[in-house]
Amino acid sequence: GESVGLHLPTLSVQEGDNSIINCAYSNSASDYFIWYKQESGKGPQFIIDIRSNMDKRQGQRVTVLLNKTVKHLSLQIAATQPGDSAVYFCAENTNDYKLSFGAGTTVTVRA
Amino acid sequence: SQTIHQWPATLVQPVGSPLSLECTVEGTSNPNLYWYRQAAGRGLQLLFYSVGIGQISSEVPQNLSASRPQDRQFILSSKKLLLSDSGFYLCAITIGGNYEQYFGPGTRLTVT
Repeated sequence: GESVGLHLPTLSVQEGDNSIINCAYSNSASDYFIWYKQESGKGPQFIIDIRSNMDKRQGQRVTVLLNKTVKHLSLQIAATQPGDSAVYFCAENTNDYKLSFGAGTTVTVRA
Repeated sequence: SQTIHQWPATLVQPVGSPLSLECTVEGTSNPNLYWYRQAAGRGLQLLFYSVGIGQISSEVPQNLSASRPQDRQFILSSKKLLLSDSGFYLCAITIGGNYEQYFGPGTRLTVT
């Protein structure tokens, strides 16, 4: 079946640099996408979301980009900090009630 | 704002034993409720969701079951645990028709 997936399972980034986490999705009918951050041993936390009628949305130090032509979603983190080390999941809505999650990208910030 | 409670936080159970995990919600009413399982180093697998009291939708055939006896209570159960049931179990909610899901702190289950 169709599912959300990630290009890279791990990302190592130098503290202070920008991070880019990528996500490919296959359900062209999805109209809502969301990024979560999960720290070790904790539940996922909402970072930012975007609807399919938008190409870009910005939050505090984070930007989500949506390219519907190639079904690609990315999360950019500006000035990455040690506290950004976590697993990042993208998710898409598959119907009114459900989200489909990708496998996740582990981000490690080097001091 | 809403608060999601899950207990226990950790659990070690032998194969063949029963299971009961509980999720309760404070600060909102009529939420949609979800149970996910996360294997080590993996993504989230949706197990069950509920849009109302007594209404349960199952996503994956398995030896687990779910119940929603009250509006803000969601229970995950098994009569006989398997080794493959080990994982991190997460309860989540949505509110007011929004897609964004809020997650609880999770229960770490180890079946030995």
